[in-house]
Amino acid sequence: EVQLLESGGGLVQPGGSLRLSCAASRFTFNTYAMSWVRQAPGKGLEWVSTINNSGGSTNYADSVKGRFTVSRDNSKNTLYLQMNSLRAEDTAVYYCAKCPYSSSSVWFDAWGQGTLVTVSS
Amino acid sequence: EIVLTQSPGTLSLSPGERATLSCRASQSVSSSYLAWYQQKPGQAPRLLIYGASSRATGIPDRFSGSGSGTDFTLTITRLEPEDFAVFYCQQYGGSPPVTFGGGTKVEI
Repeated sequence: EVQLLESGGGLVQPGGSLRLSCAASRFTFNTYAMSWVRQAPGKGLEWVSTINNSGGSTNYADSVKGRFTVSRDNSKNTLYLQMNSLRAEDTAVYYCAKCPYSSSSVWFDAWGQGTLVTVSS
Repeated sequence: EIVLTQSPGTLSLSPGERATLSCRASQSVSSSYLAWYQQKPGQAPRLLIYGASSRATGIPDRFSGSGSGTDFTLTITRLEPEDFAVFYCQQYGGSPPVTFGGGTKVEI
């Protein structure tokens, strides 16, 4: 069974930075696109970003474009999300999610347990 | 942006009853790219249905999806106690490429 384990969440001040990691196992990581999806407390799901299997193509929601950067290290089976210039509205649980194909986030067939990011002074 | 509107917001039912959840898109969505997820409190979402009507691995056959164009439906034929949760629809296409509906809570 696919395993995705996020880490790196925590409390950060507005304007600060944080890097999330997602360690993947039990599947061929370099074959699939990966995404980040977030959920603000008590709210619904919001897609954040997708990266293709090789790392050569990325996509971002307008709400994070220019502030967040998604990357991956296929040699370490790990997905990253570098978050800069954080705002209070970025407060959410961040999930990493596996896509079923190499280059598009048509749906998400496996999810991590999530890591909470809180942006507050 | 393709906006997905789910209804009702909350569905109050009893175990054994049938649940019918609606997901309406602001513009046509390819049936190949419509998915449904279940989320229980404190847990990550779980993929139930992809391609509008295909069940994900391990999903019981009491869950079924249907629809096309702008109207999609998730049906749970006989609710089990473990089915009570929040359900989200999701589409792929356009810009941004992924959007989710606001969710339907199925409660006892």
